[in-house]
Amino acid sequence: DAGITQSPRYKITETGRQVTLMCHQTWSHSYMFWYRQDLGHGLRLIYYSAAADITDKGEVPDGYVVSRSKTENFPLTLESATRSQTSVYFCASSERTSQPQHFGDGTRLSIL
Amino acid sequence: EDQVTQSPEALRLQEGESSSLNCSYTVSGLRGLFWYRQDPGKGPEFLFTLYSAGEEKEKERLKATLTKKESFLHITAPKPEDSATYLCAVQEERDYKLSFGAGTTVTVRA
Repeated sequence: DAGITQSPRYKITETGRQVTLMCHQTWSHSYMFWYRQDLGHGLRLIYYSAAADITDKGEVPDGYVVSRSKTENFPLTLESATRSQTSVYFCASSERTSQPQHFGDGTRLSIL
Repeated sequence: EDQVTQSPEALRLQEGESSSLNCSYTVSGLRGLFWYRQDPGKGPEFLFTLYSAGEEKEKERLKATLTKKESFLHITAPKPEDSATYLCAVQEERDYKLSFGAGTTVTVRA
């Protein structure tokens, strides 16, 4: 089925470990986004991408790395996880800049 | 910097009791205002886009309106299945990023 899928849905890891969250969309949307959602802060943009090989920082990029070698994939890597990165992470995509973003169901990440 | 404020934070309604949610925003130029619904454990689900003051959109029991400074999401005769968190987001003219409000959690009791 067409859509946007995130994996894993749940992840527990330890501080200092590297962890990668995956995002895959089947719509061939140009734009893709990574958000984190925390109580009291709402959704905050981490990184975004306008096309393959084009990425840019959002509001809270520190500690995160992204890549976009293929249009359909937009992985998010925490190079050395910290407890403050415990959160729910959402990936989204949109066809054009004025079109709504469509979200995956998120990855709940806990860092011990 | 963009700012989006939603009120109230939480709203408890009796089934059939209509109410409104508010989203106030400050941007230098609005490209679009988006409403989303989010259920527990799920990602936000797109509801509406509003582009200019005076515009209205409807979907079942939901109606969204837009002025130059705020948007309202009206819920008419709500049912328990309307229980969710409703998120508002704005997109500025010069950008394609969304700035989200913290959301309003609506609980509808039967």
